[in-house]
Amino acid sequence: DSGVTQTPKHLITATGQRVTLRCSPRSGDLSVYWYQQSLDQGLQFLIQYYNGEERAKGNILERFSAQQFPDLHSELNLSSLELGDSALYFCASSVDQARTDTQYFGPGTRLTVL
Amino acid sequence: AQKVTQAQTEISVVEKEDVTLDCVYETRDTTYYLFWYKQPPSGELVFLIRRNSFDEQNEISGRYSWNFQKSTSSFNFTITASQVVDSAVYFCALGSWGKLQFGAGTQVVVTP
Repeated sequence: DSGVTQTPKHLITATGQRVTLRCSPRSGDLSVYWYQQSLDQGLQFLIQYYNGEERAKGNILERFSAQQFPDLHSELNLSSLELGDSALYFCASSVDQARTDTQYFGPGTRLTVL
Repeated sequence: AQKVTQAQTEISVVEKEDVTLDCVYETRDTTYYLFWYKQPPSGELVFLIRRNSFDEQNEISGRYSWNFQKSTSSFNFTITASQVVDSAVYFCALGSWGKLQFGAGTQVVVTP
């Protein structure tokens, strides 16, 4: 158990819908990262937040957005869902934002878009 | 641009055999970090090891060992005396300023 929690574990929804994925980092960690794992793209970095502020952006679609709240939990919002958004979404956390940090991953949320 | 290549798609071994996973990376950064993560069938990503670009000393941790060679941009990982529980997908990753660039992963299948 990494100490990072993600809810829900599974999510099934329809095209065009909007969903919110939630992540709670390990106690004491200030940075939260979101990754998407799909069969065709592999593991892709989406976005990083550090202590409530966006720090780095990867291949995140405009239909996707994220935020980190004062209690440091984070939410990833996915809207206008398409079949291709079906994937495993991971949240990771680390102590701070330095390149030295080890990222510890949550169990993931498996999103299925029908 | 950063890139991580894991050329081996799948490796199958019999229990107690050693398994070596190859990883080659590309980066222009002078300071970077390399990681190995394991993804068992249950799906979670488990951190295994980390190495920074200034430390080429190779180490052994239990049944895991790694060989970092900056001159060839390789960061190989070995599981000694494999066990069935080692069956998983193993990812090599390159870290730079928060972002992890992952390789495609190598599926390791250990049969009794």
